[in-house]
Amino acid sequence: EPEVTQTPSHQVTQMGQEVILRCVPISNHLYFYWYRQILGQKVEFLVSFYNNEISEKSEIFDDQFSVERPDGSNFTLKIRSTKLEDSAMYFCASREVYLGGNTIYFGEGSWLTVV
Amino acid sequence: AQTVTQSQPEMSVQEAETVTLSCTYDTSESDYYLFWYKQPPSRQMILVIRQEAYKQQNATENRFSVNFQKAAKSFSLKISDSQLGDAAMYFCAYRSLKAAGNKLTFGGGTRVLVKP
Repeated sequence: EPEVTQTPSHQVTQMGQEVILRCVPISNHLYFYWYRQILGQKVEFLVSFYNNEISEKSEIFDDQFSVERPDGSNFTLKIRSTKLEDSAMYFCASREVYLGGNTIYFGEGSWLTVV
Repeated sequence: AQTVTQSQPEMSVQEAETVTLSCTYDTSESDYYLFWYKQPPSRQMILVIRQEAYKQQNATENRFSVNFQKAAKSFSLKISDSQLGDAAMYFCAYRSLKAAGNKLTFGGGTRVLVKP
């Protein structure tokens, strides 16, 4: 069964450093998402991306965050200058574009620890 | 903005018994999707079941079924014949069909403990 894959599975970084989280969405999916989950809290929407541009973003997705689809398969989330509060699990997700593409499929997550 | 509420932080069930998780949501829309996702200790988000709002029939997937009450904006999940592998966090989620990105809005989650 096709799946969303994410790398790295776990990254530890120093505060102030840049981090890039990578995702390979399911191949025929064209809508991509990033969500995050701080330990013990609910899953929060960060951003959705379609047709090479951001469709929607949350208040969390401020200027330190950016997304990119650098080639035909990868979808990346960049955090420019990490803060302690950015420590969380980051989930990439994707879905089909057609009207019935009602299910959003999640990757296994990238656990980011900022120290 | 849509909100999703799960009022039960934790539920405990005996193996082979049935447990029901509650979820309510707030929306002014008539067309939308509802989901239950399971998050085991590995923290992966696994789709359990989905319900289209235009469908009156409640969705069923093996031991998992929902009770969708559109007028009441209620979407509960029933796990029958509970197994040890069902132990996890369960998140209810709402997806609008109108918003540009059609994002998921999650509830706060319910932790299910399964006692052998």
